Amino acid sequence: GPKVLQIPSHQIIDMGQMVTLNCDPVSNHLYFYWYKQILGQQMEFLVNFYNGKVMEKSKLFKDQFSVERPDGSYFTLKIQPTALEDSAVYFCASSGTGGSDTQYFGPGTRLLVL
Amino acid sequence: QQQVRQSPQSLTVWEGETAILNCSYENSAFDYFPWYQQFPGEGPALLISILSVSDKKEDGRFTIFFNKREKKLSLHIADSQPGDSATYFCAASWYNQGKLIFGQGTKLSIKP
Repeated sequence: GPKVLQIPSHQIIDMGQMVTLNCDPVSNHLYFYWYKQILGQQMEFLVNFYNGKVMEKSKLFKDQFSVERPDGSYFTLKIQPTALEDSAVYFCASSGTGGSDTQYFGPGTRLLVL
Repeated sequence: QQQVRQSPQSLTVWEGETAILNCSYENSAFDYFPWYQQFPGEGPALLISILSVSDKKEDGRFTIFFNKREKKLSLHIADSQPGDSATYFCAASWYNQGKLIFGQGTKLSIKP
């Protein structure tokens, strides 16, 4: 089936540094999502993005977070500065249309903030 | 009012049996319920989904039963196979919204 790629698969950084998580969505998909999963807990919605704009963000999407997709390339999640509580697995997803269209997930980026 | 809950946390059944995974939700506005299957080290993949206008959805060995009045649904996996061993997530959404609200997952193990 359609594949979403995420780079890197793992990232270890020191608290306070900046990190950028990259997502290569399914080609011709227009809607993009980030979800966060802390070990042992459920996956939680962070943000969705369409037509160059954030459509909705949750309370987990702190001011230190930002998303963009410059020139149709990677869809990125940037955290600056990072905090210890940002340690989690971040999943990117994409869908062709919004609503109940199938969201295809990447394998996740495992972020550890020390 | 956005919580989605799953039970049990983990389930072990013998190969060939029917595994039953349960899900409940609080927000009566939810009308789209996908189930995702996730293997270790991979992202979740859509297995089967149902809209709230239906009370049952079948796809091969996988069936969703939906009870709108009780805000409950269940995923039945018939003739369980060892390859079905995975974590299953129930999720919910509004039809016109993209964001998914996930349950905590049920880790299913199939004994050969």
